[in-house]
Amino acid sequence: GIQVEQSPPDLILQEGANSTLRCNFSDSVNNLQWFHQNPWGQLINLFYIPSGTKQNGRLSATTVATERYSLLYISSSQTTDSGVYFCAVTHTGGFKTIFGAGTRLFVKA
Amino acid sequence: SAVISQKPSRDICQRGTSLTIQCQVDSQVTMMFWYRQQPGQSLTLIATANQGSEATYESGFVIDKFPISRPNLTFSTLTVSNMSPEDSSIYLCSVGEDRGLADTQYFGPGTRLTVL
Repeated sequence: GIQVEQSPPDLILQEGANSTLRCNFSDSVNNLQWFHQNPWGQLINLFYIPSGTKQNGRLSATTVATERYSLLYISSSQTTDSGVYFCAVTHTGGFKTIFGAGTRLFVKA
Repeated sequence: SAVISQKPSRDICQRGTSLTIQCQVDSQVTMMFWYRQQPGQSLTLIATANQGSEATYESGFVIDKFPISRPNLTFSTLTVSNMSPEDSSIYLCSVGEDRGLADTQYFGPGTRLTVL
């Protein structure tokens, strides 16, 4: 099956810093999503981005489908950004969403 | 976006018992998905539940252990049977937008299960 690798596995930032999270996938996809899981366990869909670039406030994401990777940018990080960021993909022709292992982010005040 | 609720939100159960988790969606969806998230781990798909047919289970998950019902287009249940401490996890229900396909995917708040 398709493999999804995220890096870095863990990240500690000082409040106000910027960061880039990466997601590599092993095969073509028709769907790629970024999720944030807050410390209480709730999963929030940040972006649906099978290709191209999107921005939402301090967050933006870029997917280069031909090179099989996606990046999530967090600018001016805040303590509320802490949690786990997951990349999840759906293989082309499939309907199951497969999750990466996640990047655990802690933003210090 | 779909609004998903789950019951119970958390439970503590004894070894050998069973727990049924309910998932309710505020709109009709073709496919519903059940995931497990073990402590400190990522999400693993347990099964896909279609209305009117048997659920499709992923490798490593079997119907006897995780029976699923899907009586209509807005509701599903997952039962964790004959529980052991290894079943302690968060169980999440999920639906996709756009005719039930996994385009933009939404998750319920999860059921946090602890097995003693």
